[in-house]
Amino acid sequence: DQQVKQNSPSLSVQEGRISILNCDYTNSMFDYFLWYKKYPAEGPTFLISISSIKDKNEDGRFTVFLNKSAKHLSLHIVPSQPGDSAVYFCAARETNNNDMRFGAGTRLTVKP
Amino acid sequence: NAGVMQNPRHLVRRRGQEARLRCSPMKGHSHVYWYRQLPEEGLKFMVYLQKENIIDESGMPKERFSAEFPKEGPSILRIQQVVRGDSAAYFCASSPQRSYEQYFGPGTRLTVT
Repeated sequence: DQQVKQNSPSLSVQEGRISILNCDYTNSMFDYFLWYKKYPAEGPTFLISISSIKDKNEDGRFTVFLNKSAKHLSLHIVPSQPGDSAVYFCAARETNNNDMRFGAGTRLTVKP
Repeated sequence: NAGVMQNPRHLVRRRGQEARLRCSPMKGHSHVYWYRQLPEEGLKFMVYLQKENIIDESGMPKERFSAEFPKEGPSILRIQQVVRGDSAAYFCASSPQRSYEQYFGPGTRLTVT
């Protein structure tokens, strides 16, 4: 059961423009959401997170938006840089549950 | 401050052999999580351990897979009698407490021939 979905397997963006990565979830009990970034041959690296009590969290070039009614979150990267090229995983979990659910990932390519 | 260490990075086993994957958490971290990533899929939770205790193994296959996190030494994920379908990347993550942010190791890529 795919409780966290990233429907776009890949995204290509020009350097300097905005990258928008999307994620949908089905479990309304999820109350914490995270984005991880993964380079080839490395483990995922935590990027940014958001609690369900918020609808936006910003950290430098990265902003995560949460729309609880739509069960949708997105990661905005602006301006995009070639070094941002990686696979981005969306993850979600609920309080008191050890099981963090990951999406299948979106491969972002930022072209110089 | 070394990150999460996993070894080996690559492991090749023939069908029927045993695979042992090791994970040393970050210094000061006593919570360890194991995930499996199959080709073209996201990471799937397998098991959550604290020192000497399995807290949650709801994602572990019922047979052939086991995990431990002894008082001393790394956490071990053990797969007995491996089959081709076990070929995947296995990631370990750790956290200082049962927290939301987990820090991942580089993974072990298991190939079963």
